[in-house]
Amino acid sequence: DIQMTQSPSSLSASVGDRVTLTCRASQSISNYLNWYQQKAGKAPKLLIYAASSLQSGVPSRFSGSGSGTDFTLTINSLQPEDFATYYCQQSYSTPPWTFGRGTKLEIK
Amino acid sequence: EVQLVESGGGLVQPGGSLRLSCAASGFTFSDYYMDWVRQAPGKGLEWVGHTRNKGSVYTTEYAASVKGRFTISRDVSKNSLSLQMNSLKIEDTAVYYCVTSGYESSAYSWWGQGTLVTVSS
Repeated sequence: DIQMTQSPSSLSASVGDRVTLTCRASQSISNYLNWYQQKAGKAPKLLIYAASSLQSGVPSRFSGSGSGTDFTLTINSLQPEDFATYYCQQSYSTPPWTFGRGTKLEIK
Repeated sequence: EVQLVESGGGLVQPGGSLRLSCAASGFTFSDYYMDWVRQAPGKGLEWVGHTRNKGSVYTTEYAASVKGRFTISRDVSKNSLSLQMNSLKIEDTAVYYCVTSGYESSAYSWWGQGTLVTVSS
């Protein structure tokens, strides 16, 4: 199975900051990488698909990049509603589709 | 508008069985891949399994952790997805989400609200 490693596991930042979250795959997954945001008690929400495509309705301050094994999610000008846990997920080739363990973004 | 509504969660003893359902609306149910994803309390997300669409003859695949114990099926006449869970273990305790990526296996654009399954004696 393909392993997904996210770093850092937690991050403290302030409103208005720019933050970058990282996700690494144990083997090349081309651009089959998705990012989700999850708030406490809620279902995850798709932010980015195919590594860099912004899901409809998601603010443009979110962006994704990368291919192969290394990927990043960048949030420009953090807003109060952005403090949440972020997960990456690979959907390359065949199942199982695996998720990273998440990065918890907290207010400093 | 795509809507997914899970039901059927609850408390069950180890070794017991439970059947979850997901009512789907807002799309042609037979055309979409349908998956189950779970999340243990305070933990991350885990893919459980999926059923492909009509074009792929509704074939199913499962995570190794549930293979042989869980079965995914769909009732196209009722627009309903099911997850039959047998021989439940304590480690199956989780919120179970019904999710779909649409016409192919890719990113999960739509999620249900989740239903909690607790396996405990």
